[in-house]
Amino acid sequence: KQEVTQIPAALSVPEGENLVLNCSFTDSAIYNLQWFRQDPGKGLTSLLLIQSSQREQTSGRLNASLDKSSGRSTLYIAASQPGDSATYLCAPNNAGNMLTFGGGTRLMVKP
Amino acid sequence: DAGITQSPRHKVTETGTPVTLRCHQTENHRYMYWYRQDPGHGLRLIHYSYGVKDTDKGEVSDGYSVSRSKTEDFLLTLESATSSQTSVYFCATKDRDQPQHFGDGTRLSIL
Repeated sequence: KQEVTQIPAALSVPEGENLVLNCSFTDSAIYNLQWFRQDPGKGLTSLLLIQSSQREQTSGRLNASLDKSSGRSTLYIAASQPGDSATYLCAPNNAGNMLTFGGGTRLMVKP
Repeated sequence: DAGITQSPRHKVTETGTPVTLRCHQTENHRYMYWYRQDPGHGLRLIHYSYGVKDTDKGEVSDGYSVSRSKTEDFLLTLESATSSQTSVYFCATKDRDQPQHFGDGTRLSIL
């Protein structure tokens, strides 16, 4: 059974810092991995989908990397802003098009 | 997001009553999912569908049933609601090799 761990569980930083959020997973036989953000009381918004054959995927200030063999992914947020405050979730996709979610990293960016 | 509508958005009901949640999508995605999100447990898959009338169980399927008679609709039914099923329920959809997209959620309270 896939198990997903996200570190740190919570993070508070001043505006402008570059951040790294970590995700590790136990079963490396994944097809792809997705990163989401969730604002309080809201649904999940897809940020990045990185395929198992890819090393990196970028969207604006966000960059996700994937090391499938070691069971790790990182989400890099450049020049953080208060609007980035949210919970960030990673979810590897194993067989059957099913995602397994980590517990998330709760990020607060202070002005 | 991705044309997903969940209804109702909020519901309060009593133990022992039947409850049906509806997920409607306009993107013609093949796969549809029902999750529940609870503090301390994160997002867990209840049931999913890989086509009309094709469904399967997820991690926490006990006490829930689903139906998909049309591509655009995926129904989640609690036959006899219990207090342990108080949760926020999310529907998601995807196509093969594409990101999974989520609805805004249904907040269900069972008294």
